[in-house]
Amino acid sequence: GAGVSQSPRYKVAKRGRDVALRCDSISGHVTLYWYRQTLGQGSEVLTYSQSDAQRDKSGRPSGRFSAERPERSVSTLKIQRTEQGDSAVYLCASSVIRDRVWETQYFGPGTRLLVL
Amino acid sequence: EDKVVQSPLSLVVHEGDTVTLNCSYEVTNFRSLLWYKQEKKAPTFLFMLTSSGIEKKSGRLSSILDNKELFSILNITATQTGDSAVYLCAVEDRHYGGATNKLIFGTGTLLAVQP
Repeated sequence: GAGVSQSPRYKVAKRGRDVALRCDSISGHVTLYWYRQTLGQGSEVLTYSQSDAQRDKSGRPSGRFSAERPERSVSTLKIQRTEQGDSAVYLCASSVIRDRVWETQYFGPGTRLLVL
Repeated sequence: EDKVVQSPLSLVVHEGDTVTLNCSYEVTNFRSLLWYKQEKKAPTFLFMLTSSGIEKKSGRLSSILDNKELFSILNITATQTGDSAVYLCAVEDRHYGGATNKLIFGTGTLLAVQP
């Protein structure tokens, strides 16, 4: 069946430019997460949004990260004024949350971002 | 500052061995602890633990939480080469009165199972 998809799979950006990464989650899933993975620092969550609301806009490390939900099952991660340290794999995950109990998170394949 | 610490950072074992992975945490508003397995693709969810002292099992994997001593362990018995992966521990931090929860990850334990 359809899983979580992300686009683009690879992105090269010039330092200082803004980038937007897309995630299409599983229909019916309420919660969307964006994670960043780097070799040296492991995984960290960037943003978290539940239903149609947008939570945790500040992200890491300096508020340049934000996520929007233009549609219920679509999220766009925006990175402003990219820095070389933003080079990483960006993973999107979605899950169904009922009664504040987590269920399995389903991850997309990731977008590999390289900032030059 | 909230943090999650995993140990060991890496581990090499032979097939059939039993391994124990550790995760300790300092989180102000603990809600739950989660274990993930990550291979070449995105992480897969293993367990979520909220209650201290209750073991969760799934096949050869099991996990338990001690929320007094603030740690969790993940056990894998009769390891197989397919168990080779990075095992991630994450703690959910709950903001009282707000709507934002965060997952705080450890840096992971790299497990290599040799035939």
